[in-house]
Amino acid sequence: GDSVTQMEGPVTLSEEAFLTINCTYTATGYPSLFWYVQYPGEGLQLLLKATKADDKGSNKGFEATYRKETTSFHLEKGSVQVSDSAVYFCALKSRGSARQLTFGSGTQLTVLP
Amino acid sequence: DSGVTQTPKHLITATGQRVTLRCSPRSGDLSVYWYQQSLDQGLQFLIQYYNGEERAKGNILERFSAQQFPDLHSELNLSSLELGDSALYFCASSPSGEVSGELFFGEGSRLTVL
Repeated sequence: GDSVTQMEGPVTLSEEAFLTINCTYTATGYPSLFWYVQYPGEGLQLLLKATKADDKGSNKGFEATYRKETTSFHLEKGSVQVSDSAVYFCALKSRGSARQLTFGSGTQLTVLP
Repeated sequence: DSGVTQTPKHLITATGQRVTLRCSPRSGDLSVYWYQQSLDQGLQFLIQYYNGEERAKGNILERFSAQQFPDLHSELNLSSLELGDSALYFCASSPSGEVSGELFFGEGSRLTVL
């Protein structure tokens, strides 16, 4: 079945540091890929997405590129801020009968001033 | 604010009891999803309803049930509660039955079973 594997957390960085959170997936065919973010005390919200190979999703300075050859969708940001502290979830939706999103386990990011 | 409303925000109960969690989707959204978030299992899909009909079922226990009413709000019923049912339960909605990608999540209902 479909699955998403995320980099184990927690991750702690200083402000303005470079961020990478690794995500790899297993799915039938070519799924759509997503990053969701959960700020403290809130529900998840969509951060960015990519629907086909080599697509790059971007939002709020975050980027992720759909790499079919490595089945990966790593999240990156060049310079993190304290306000980026949150839990980040990688997710996929298979093309087919599956209607729900399959999420990774989440990565807790803490950015220190 | 996502527009998805969940009640109650916090609930503490005892083993063996039954609780009902309520979700009101965003205005106009026909599809509702329930997810369970626990420390050891991550975010697990439970069940999806679309316009009152069950559309997809995930890792939902037989002790759990859900329904979506004509006004499109949904309820998740959890019975014969066990300690391991303690978790954050999220409801999400989307406009159609097929997941285009963006689900709009509520803030969750935190259930503690003592």
